[in-house]
Amino acid sequence: ETGVTQTPRHLVMGMTNKKSLKCEQHLGHNAMYWYKQSAKKPLELMFVYNFKEQTENNSVPSRFSPECPNSSHLFLHLHTLQPEDSALYLCASSPPDRGNQPQHFGDGTRLSIL
Amino acid sequence: KNQVEQSPQSLIILEGKNCTLQCNYTVSPFSNLRWYKQDTGRGPVSLTIMTFSENTKSNGRYTATLDADTKQSSLHITASQLSDSASYICVVSRNAGNNRKLIWGLGTSLAVNP
Repeated sequence: ETGVTQTPRHLVMGMTNKKSLKCEQHLGHNAMYWYKQSAKKPLELMFVYNFKEQTENNSVPSRFSPECPNSSHLFLHLHTLQPEDSALYLCASSPPDRGNQPQHFGDGTRLSIL
Repeated sequence: KNQVEQSPQSLIILEGKNCTLQCNYTVSPFSNLRWYKQDTGRGPVSLTIMTFSENTKSNGRYTATLDADTKQSSLHITASQLSDSASYICVVSRNAGNNRKLIWGLGTSLAVNP
């Protein structure tokens, strides 16, 4: 039990599909993150939310749309993805005073684009 | 250029043996350095975090060292166990105003064989 739960764990979708990834934490953290992990590449920060407000967007294509309805939940809406978007998508959280340093990671969603 | 380089890329050792993983960085200004363990199919889990003034930090059989002058860190694993098989990732935090930017290494893949 990591404290950060991601669903689904695996997702296969076509390029024209619309799907959403979900992340949930009940650690009392106020900052949440989306990361992309591809083979042979370092983790790439995608988005950061602090107290439900987006504070960082690392030039992520608009086919990825994050949503943070409250401090405990984070979504990543996917639409018209490309094969190169196949990767492990990790969610993380941290307390508000950690200078945007993720403390706890979920186990990720393995995304495959057909 | 802010970079984190880890060596070796992969390592195979026998159960019960010790090993040392290396992390060299060119990140400035330096804030802290963290080692993560990532099991296959799981998210990263933080092992140790060290600031500029700390030169060693232990977590059970894991001992991390930091030489801020030479910008090198190592992670030593003592009396390895099969469960130590994982990817070990070095992450350096760079001060960037009110936030900190994380520079991730590619990781060292460790296999502990019986």
